[in-house]
Amino acid sequence: AQKVTQAQTEISVVEKEDVTLDCVYETRDTTYYLFWYKQPPSGELVFLIRRNSFDEQNEISGRYSWNFQKSTSSFNFTITASQVVDSAVYFCALSGKLGGTSYGKLTFGQGTILTVHP
Amino acid sequence: NAGVTQTPKFQVLKTGQSMTLQCAQDMNHEYMSWYRQDPGMGLRLIHYSVGAGITDQGEVPNGYNVSRSTTEDFPLRLLSAAPSQTSVYFCASRPAGTVKSNQPQHFGDGTRLSIL
Repeated sequence: AQKVTQAQTEISVVEKEDVTLDCVYETRDTTYYLFWYKQPPSGELVFLIRRNSFDEQNEISGRYSWNFQKSTSSFNFTITASQVVDSAVYFCALSGKLGGTSYGKLTFGQGTILTVHP
Repeated sequence: NAGVTQTPKFQVLKTGQSMTLQCAQDMNHEYMSWYRQDPGMGLRLIHYSVGAGITDQGEVPNGYNVSRSTTEDFPLRLLSAAPSQTSVYFCASRPAGTVKSNQPQHFGDGTRLSIL
């Protein structure tokens, strides 16, 4: 069975602070995919990043960075110099197999509510 | 380019009523899925389809039916609504891919459903 745990239910920071959202996953698959999605107050789900299990390079995109560590089954997300517009619910997700070798089923973590205060 | 379109955006039902949540995508994606989002539980998979005529159950399928007669449409039916089905429902789609090209899912804007 697959499982994604986001231990931080809510995080509150002041603008310009750095913040890290934790994600720990469990899977028996040797090949898998990890995702981060953002859900702003308007409710839609916005894709942020995809990472496959055979690529452990960290990634930086502007103020966002992701740290994938297979040894600890973690895929943490850091926002540098947070802004009010970063306030949202952030979901970590793990892609599992939908029969055969195709991937499509997403297992989501519980989500972390990030509030950035001005 | 509309992407994934869900209708309605909001709906209130009485216990026992039936209804269909509509989902359509114009990206010719093979895979479509329905998720429900409940507080503190993230999103959970209800049903999915890997192509027209092919559907299967996800993690929480009870009380829901689906069909996939065309590539574009993937409606979700509540047969007899129950208060436990009060939730936000998301439809998602993505193209088929090989093991090394797992594309991210595109989500609709959601349907907020309340069962009284």
